[in-house]
This record gives sequence, structure tokens and C-alpha cells, in this order.
Amino acid sequence: AQSVTQLDSHVSVSEGTPVLLRCNYSSSYSPSLFWYVQHPNKGLQLLLKYTSAATLVKGINGFEAEFKKSETSFHLTKPSAHMSDAAEYFCVVSRTDSWGKLQFGAGTQVVVTP
Amino acid sequence: DGGITQSPKYLFRKEGQNVTLSCEQNLNHDAMYWYRQDPGQGLRLIYYSQIVNDFQKGDIAEGYSVSREKKESFPLTVTSAQKNPTAFYLCASSLLGDNQPQHFGDGTRLSIL
Repeated sequence: AQSVTQLDSHVSVSEGTPVLLRCNYSSSYSPSLFWYVQHPNKGLQLLLKYTSAATLVKGINGFEAEFKKSETSFHLTKPSAHMSDAAEYFCVVSRTDSWGKLQFGAGTQVVVTP
Repeated sequence: DGGITQSPKYLFRKEGQNVTLSCEQNLNHDAMYWYRQDPGQGLRLIYYSQIVNDFQKGDIAEGYSVSREKKESFPLTVTSAQKNPTAFYLCASSLLGDNQPQHFGDGTRLSIL
């Protein structure tokens, strides 16, 4: 079975400072991993995905994530936070019990202060 | 623009009523999914479909039903058997195959009167 643990339920950062959202996963196989962002009362938008091509994955809006197999981690970072980054972020792993199914983390709420 | 349209955005249900949430996509995706989102939790899979006229139960299918008569449409019915239906419901679609990301609609918020 697979699981996803987002280590922080809330993160508060100042505008212009780095953002780090932590995610650990477990999976029986080489997983596909995703980060999604959700703004209030909206659907989820894909930020980036890892599918074994490269361990450092660049996404939209300046975000990137690094896959570390030895640490079973897939942390999301951004060098400089913007006010528009305030949202909820989900780390997601592909499930092994059936094609196409995803396992979502509980989410990390990001607050950006001026 | 291609995308997923969910309607209505807000929906209210009386006790004992069935309600149907609409999901339409024009992305030409074969696979479609319904999720339920509760505060402080990730998304939980209700039903999914990989092809027209076929669908499978997800992790929390009890009290819900779906149909897939057209490739573009995947409506979800919340029946009176669902004892705690108040939630945010999200529809998604994807291409077939491993590693395909899912694309999401903007959701329907269902509340009980």
C-alpha cells in the first residue's frame, strides 16, 4: 500500500522569503508523485509531477521539488514567496492498487504575510 | 478553452432528497473521477470511470451513484442513503495510462438544509 504524509498542516511565510513544504511518501513500487495547489473554493491545479526522468522537477509559478528515494521525500520549494502563493498544497502519490488512482496527503495551508 | 465544468457551484439538499451533481469535460479524456473533500482532509475517491458505460467504486462509494453514458459527462448522485453529505465535491479527468495527471473542475459545495 502507499501513503503520503505532509509534515506541516500550516506554514506561514513572509513575502519574498523561501517556502518549504515537506512531504514523505511510502510506496511498494517506484511511484509517480505530484504537487497540486488549491485556492479557496476552487479545484486543484497541477504544480509539477515526478515520473523518474529527473530527481529535480521544475513546475509552474517558480516552484520545484526534489525526489529523494533514500529519504522517501518529495519536498516542494520556492525561493521567494508571493502573496498569490497563499493557498492549500497537496502532495499526491500514484496508487498501486489500481491504475490511475491517486493517494492525497492531508494538505498544507500556506499563509503569506506582507 | 478546454476544461472541466462542474455545476452547480453551490447546492442545498433537504433530508431524504437525492441530488445530482454535473461534471462535463471537453478535454477528450477517457478517465473521469469523483472526489469528496472535507475540511482538513485530503481528497477521497468516490467513483471513477475509465471508459463509457463502465465505472468502479472508489474508497467511499456508499450512498453515491454515478453513470457514464457519454465520454464527456460523469454525473454524481448523492442519495438519501449518504448520511453525511455536506462536503466539497470535485470532479477530475485524465488521459489513460500511468503517470497521467488529473485535471480538476472548480467543485460543487453541497450543504444540508
